Amino acid sequence: DAKTTQPPSMDCAEGRAANLPCNHSTISGNEYVYWYRQIHSQGPQYIIHGLKNNETNEMASLIITEDRKSSTLILPHATLRDTAVYYCIVRVGRDDKIIFGKGTRLHILP
Amino acid sequence: DTGVSQDPRHKITKRGQNVTFRCDPISEHNRLYWYRQTLGQGPEFLTYFQNEAQLEKSRLLSDRFSAERPKGSFSTLEIQRTEQGDSAMYLCASSPQAAYNYGYTFGSGTRLTVV
Repeated sequence: DAKTTQPPSMDCAEGRAANLPCNHSTISGNEYVYWYRQIHSQGPQYIIHGLKNNETNEMASLIITEDRKSSTLILPHATLRDTAVYYCIVRVGRDDKIIFGKGTRLHILP
Repeated sequence: DTGVSQDPRHKITKRGQNVTFRCDPISEHNRLYWYRQTLGQGPEFLTYFQNEAQLEKSRLLSDRFSAERPKGSFSTLEIQRTEQGDSAMYLCASSPQAAYNYGYTFGSGTRLTVV
């Protein structure tokens, strides 16, 4: 079963930062936080992951709270192409499968 | 290598028929995963391979389902005696070995409709 809680949907204005929250209050010390997104009719796309520290790549930033019970995915300048379902996933360090929840449907408004 | 390829993209079949899907992973990836996704739900894990060995199967994978990965390259997922409840998107993904520090690369999926 998924170990995360996400809002079912969110809106964000084009050009603004999209901040997607995720609660994972039962996370263990060796579990990573992963984010994927799925654009309509495509397979999921890996975005970013982290363990304790905040992470940034060319797609997004991941902010993990100090107690690791929640995290936020930040898309700094959202575009219409960022409209998708975003999945927050907790994964044991050496576990070999990813379990998806229902995710957050992000609508970018023009 | 342009990513994970799945064939066919769409399949319509009559109830009771057998269907087979193919997945070609990224060539240097040892691990290959199958997922199923129904409308409005996240992908559900079915099974995964490391090279040619099938290491885990979900309880969702009934005895009508079988997956193979001969020679550790491409993989096939076969569904026998299809039922309407099998209608879904079937997704394949691959990753390097020791994949916890990497993301999966997914294909675009095969959409199955059982009529």
